[in-house]
Amino acid sequence: QSALTQPASVSGSPGQSITISCTGTSSDIGGYNYVSWYQQHPGKAPKVLVYDVNKRPSGVSNRFSASKSGSTASLTISGLQAEDEADYYCCSYAGGGIYVFGIGTKVTVL
Amino acid sequence: EVQLVESGGTLVQPGGSLRLSCAASGFTFSSLPMHWVRQAPGKGLEYVAAILSNGDVTHYASSVQGRFTISRDNSKNTLYLQMDSLRAEDTALYYCARDGITGWHLDYWGQGTLVTVSS
Repeated sequence: QSALTQPASVSGSPGQSITISCTGTSSDIGGYNYVSWYQQHPGKAPKVLVYDVNKRPSGVSNRFSASKSGSTASLTISGLQAEDEADYYCCSYAGGGIYVFGIGTKVTVL
Repeated sequence: EVQLVESGGTLVQPGGSLRLSCAASGFTFSSLPMHWVRQAPGKGLEYVAAILSNGDVTHYASSVQGRFTISRDNSKNTLYLQMDSLRAEDTALYYCARDGITGWHLDYWGQGTLVTVSS
């Protein structure tokens, strides 16, 4: 149950697009189409942005999109806004009823 | 409105025990699996445990297997986490979270309760 690998930080200017990668193994990301992404602002609880690889819950901006290829998942934020500055975590089902989270990526809006 | 309110976090000595609670409202608690996730100060999210809707099946991360016990009381709409043999590395903000009604994810989270393990 090792944590999924994410870049520690990603930055971009307002209006730009950025992509956060999330690398796992065949036992988690590569084995299931159950990848989700969470946004966490300082002092707040995480909020789900995407689930089942590329589905957005109602109310989540379509500026957030995601995909998966093999054992790597990606989250793209388009039209970057100041409010997008936060920590982002990927998460995958890892079998045996357990999920595993990524180490987290800090997004900075320049 | 879905609400999850954790309680029970406090300062406890290494080797001690603690029980966390999560009071749920705004949905049919007995119909959904529930989860605990923790976050050490300044660190990332770590999955802890899950329990299916009827409470018969539980799952644990290897880091807490054998020390923590997840349970639920559907008559009280409450989720629990019994933590025994606590270690300094268990210090974290503990969140309860609801399983998504559709899809595999955690769709609602509480605000967390802080557990500090220190002498």
